[in-house]
Amino acid sequence: GQSLEQPSEVTAVEGAIVQINCTYQTSGFYGLSWYQQHDGGAPTFLSYNALDGLEETGRFSSFLSRSDSYGYLLLQELQMKDSASYFCAVREGGANNLFFGTGTRLTVIP
Amino acid sequence: DSGVTQTPKHLITATGQRVTLRCSPRSGDLSVYWYQQSLDQGLQFLIQYYNGEERAKGNILERFSAQQFPDLHSELNLSSLELGDSALYFCASSVGGGRSYEQYFGPGTRLTVT
Repeated sequence: GQSLEQPSEVTAVEGAIVQINCTYQTSGFYGLSWYQQHDGGAPTFLSYNALDGLEETGRFSSFLSRSDSYGYLLLQELQMKDSASYFCAVREGGANNLFFGTGTRLTVIP
Repeated sequence: DSGVTQTPKHLITATGQRVTLRCSPRSGDLSVYWYQQSLDQGLQFLIQYYNGEERAKGNILERFSAQQFPDLHSELNLSSLELGDSALYFCASSVGGGRSYEQYFGPGTRLTVT
């Protein structure tokens, strides 16, 4: 089986930096993905880490530590439009699907 | 726009009924995934197809079934509907199972069972 833990809610100020953590337990592990979902919208793919380290894509970065079964999504220069739910998801060894966490609702305030 | 289409957008039906949700993947994608998202819940993986064949099953109820057709579109059939089946149902696609980490989601079908 597998389990993912994320904070349920995070609030941050516009222009600031916020980090959303994700810890996982799986019987096998291939990599960690991050998705963004605005209220009423569809999830959209943000990033994927298969190896340890930091992946940067514009204002968003994602980090993975396989030895710690831990990853995080870093959002810089926060904008009001970043208010959304953020899901981490693991791809398990031998599986062709993703298992999603319960998501972190990010609220950006002025 | 992800390129994944789902119909219908909204569906209201009564308990005990049967409905069919339809999904067309992005052009070139061979894998289709179905998810259920209840209010304030995460995405529950239901089932995956790759090029017409079932590849993975999640917590899909026996009352639910799916298939992927030769033109790669997929249908999710929900029968003997219960109030608890009310949810948002998403379809997603990826190039193949090896790229399952990068899925493209359709706009979803909101199912309301009354």
